[in-house]
Amino acid sequence: ELKVEQNPLFLSMQEGKNYTIYCNYSTTSDRLYWYRQDPGKSLESLFVLLSNGAVKQEGRLMASLDTKARLSTLHITAAVHDLSATYFCAGLSEYGNKLVFGAGTILRVKS
Amino acid sequence: EPEVTQTPSHQVTQMGQEVILRCVPISNHLYFYWYRQILGQKVEFLVSFYNNEISEKSEIFDDQFSVERPDGSNFTLKIRSTKLEDSAMYFCASSDGTSGRFWQETQYFGPGTRLLVL
Repeated sequence: ELKVEQNPLFLSMQEGKNYTIYCNYSTTSDRLYWYRQDPGKSLESLFVLLSNGAVKQEGRLMASLDTKARLSTLHITAAVHDLSATYFCAGLSEYGNKLVFGAGTILRVKS
Repeated sequence: EPEVTQTPSHQVTQMGQEVILRCVPISNHLYFYWYRQILGQKVEFLVSFYNNEISEKSEIFDDQFSVERPDGSNFTLKIRSTKLEDSAMYFCASSDGTSGRFWQETQYFGPGTRLLVL
């Protein structure tokens, strides 16, 4: 059964710095999704990664997928306070359409 | 932009009572889902629904849970006899389903219903 692990679980960053969140998954489902959640709010879709080498960028966030390493990364460039949120990666189960979420990374950007 | 809506936003109930959580998926979407998130924990899949039947369910989704699409727009989750451990945020989600390639489709989440069982 698919397992998804994220690290770090908590990340405190200074504004303007770069950092990467890592997401490992255990099976060959090879479909990876990134969501953002603000406190008490719903999950906002950020990226859908469907193939090896896929790279997507939106503003200061860039996500990539390496299916051979079963690894996805979410890279934050020049962090700003507005990026403070919890970021979840999720894989799609092999034989169905359920999302299996990682534990989430709480990101706090300090000015 | 179309969005998934959920009602109520908050529900407080006594243990053993039945609750019905309501969702209106994005119009023309064909796949519907329920997930839950216990406070401070990860989001967990409960059930998916397609073509008026359950397509997949998790171990959490036992006989106390049921889903229904009572009309062309609503999608409901019923918990027959609530337990303290059912306290969580419940998210409804929907995806297009018309491409035939559901794995390429984004699941869009509603704002959630926070359920508190006392």
